[in-house]
Amino acid sequence: DVKVTQSSRYLVKRTGEKVFLECVQDMDHENMFWYRQDPGLGLRLIYFSYDVKMKEKGDIPEGYSVSREKKERFSLILESASTNQTSMYLCASRPASGGLYEQYFGPGTRLTVT
Amino acid sequence: AQSVTQLDSHVSVSEGTPVLLRCNYSSSYSPSLFWYVQHPNKGLQLLLKYTSAATLVKGINGFEAEFKKSETSFHLTKPSAHMSDAAEYFCVVTPGTGNQFYFGTGTSLTVIP
Repeated sequence: DVKVTQSSRYLVKRTGEKVFLECVQDMDHENMFWYRQDPGLGLRLIYFSYDVKMKEKGDIPEGYSVSREKKERFSLILESASTNQTSMYLCASRPASGGLYEQYFGPGTRLTVT
Repeated sequence: AQSVTQLDSHVSVSEGTPVLLRCNYSSSYSPSLFWYVQHPNKGLQLLLKYTSAATLVKGINGFEAEFKKSETSFHLTKPSAHMSDAAEYFCVVTPGTGNQFYFGTGTSLTVIP
């Protein structure tokens, strides 16, 4: 079974802090994704990566950056956390590009910024 | 342009009765379509997927969906609801290539005992 793990289930941070969210997948997948999920808005793509050190902006990249130094690990960084970044963050991976492949999701990190 | 519309934000059914969650999509390409389920405070789990093979797709836990190109729909059904089906359901479309996934805003299913 594919396993996608996220470093924290719940996280509370203060405004202005630098926040790291980590995601690890164990199936040698090429593609990895970071989404945020807010009520009534569904999932919105922040960034995705199609290879080590390669990344592309999604729909809402402002205020976020990412790092992929190893194939299995994809980190989301909030450079200076703000209260409007309070949300559920979901990581996903998939084997490769193309419509045949579904995404596998981690359990999510619920981040609260106070 | 791609988009997904889930026609009901909330659906409530009695245990043992049929479930219908509606999804319409817009796609310029031959799309792949997915249904995911999310239980409270959990990640998304794949229920089923359509990738241009059979139009009637069977998934886990007794769910199925039918791809209807003429109606641009991909509705999710289950003959008999179970209490454990109470969750949020997401319809997702992706074009045949690339890495863009378009999510609906979700349908919250309540199952009444």
